[in-house]
Amino acid sequence: GAGVSQSPSNKVTEKGKDVELRCDPISGHTALYWYRQSLGQGLEFLIYFQGNSAPDKSGLPSDRFSAERTGGSVSTLTIQRTQQEDSAVYLCASNPRAGHTEAFFGQGTRLTVV
Amino acid sequence: AQSVTQLGSHVSVSEGALVLLRCNYSSSVPPYLFWYVQYPNQGLQLLLKYTTGATLVKGINGFEAEFKKSETSFHLTKPSAHMSDAAEYFCAVSSSGGSYIPTFGRGTSLIVHP
Repeated sequence: GAGVSQSPSNKVTEKGKDVELRCDPISGHTALYWYRQSLGQGLEFLIYFQGNSAPDKSGLPSDRFSAERTGGSVSTLTIQRTQQEDSAVYLCASNPRAGHTEAFFGQGTRLTVV
Repeated sequence: AQSVTQLGSHVSVSEGALVLLRCNYSSSVPPYLFWYVQYPNQGLQLLLKYTTGATLVKGINGFEAEFKKSETSFHLTKPSAHMSDAAEYFCAVSSSGGSYIPTFGRGTSLIVHP
C-alpha cells in the first residue's frame, strides 16, 4: 500500500506476556519513529531510526521496551513482561528523510493489557 | 531542546464560528512547525506545516496558521467551523536541536456544536 501500515490494529494481552507490534513504513522512507499515545495524553516519543545509523532510543520508558528495524524497512516494537500501564495506542510514522518534511503516520496499534 | 505547549485541552465552538487553537513552542534553533489532526480511531494526518519563507501557511480543510517568531507561537485558525472539524489537533515542532525528531503537544480536542 501507499501508506504506513501497522499490525495488529488491536491487541489484547495478559499482564506479563510479551507482545510484538509491527510497522511497515512507506517504501523509500529512511526515517521511522515510534510514539505512544495514552488516554488523554499527547504523543510520547519512544524510538527513532534513521537509515543505517544507530537508533535513538532515548524515549524508551524501560528496558522492557525494544525495537528493531530490519533491512531499513519493517520495524518491530517489542514489549516484554507487559504491565497494565503499557496499555496505549502505539503509533508508527515514517519520513522521506529527517528534517523539515512531515512524518506520515499509520493508524496505530491499540494495546490493552488485562 | 524543543517543546510544545498547547493551551486548552478542549475548545468548544458553535458551527460557523471562528476556530482558534493555540500553540507555543520552544526551540533554541529555527524550528519547523506542524499541525496534525486525528479523527477517532485513526492515525495523525498533516493539516499544514511551516518550514521557511512565508509565515502564514494555509492547509487543508480551510485551516491556516501563522508563525510568529517574536511570540514563539503557531496558532491554528479557521474562519468558520464545520461539524466535520470535530477532532483532536496536535501541534508539533522539529529542529536540528532535537535531531529532527518531532515533539508533540498534548493535543486539543475541538468540539463543534450545531
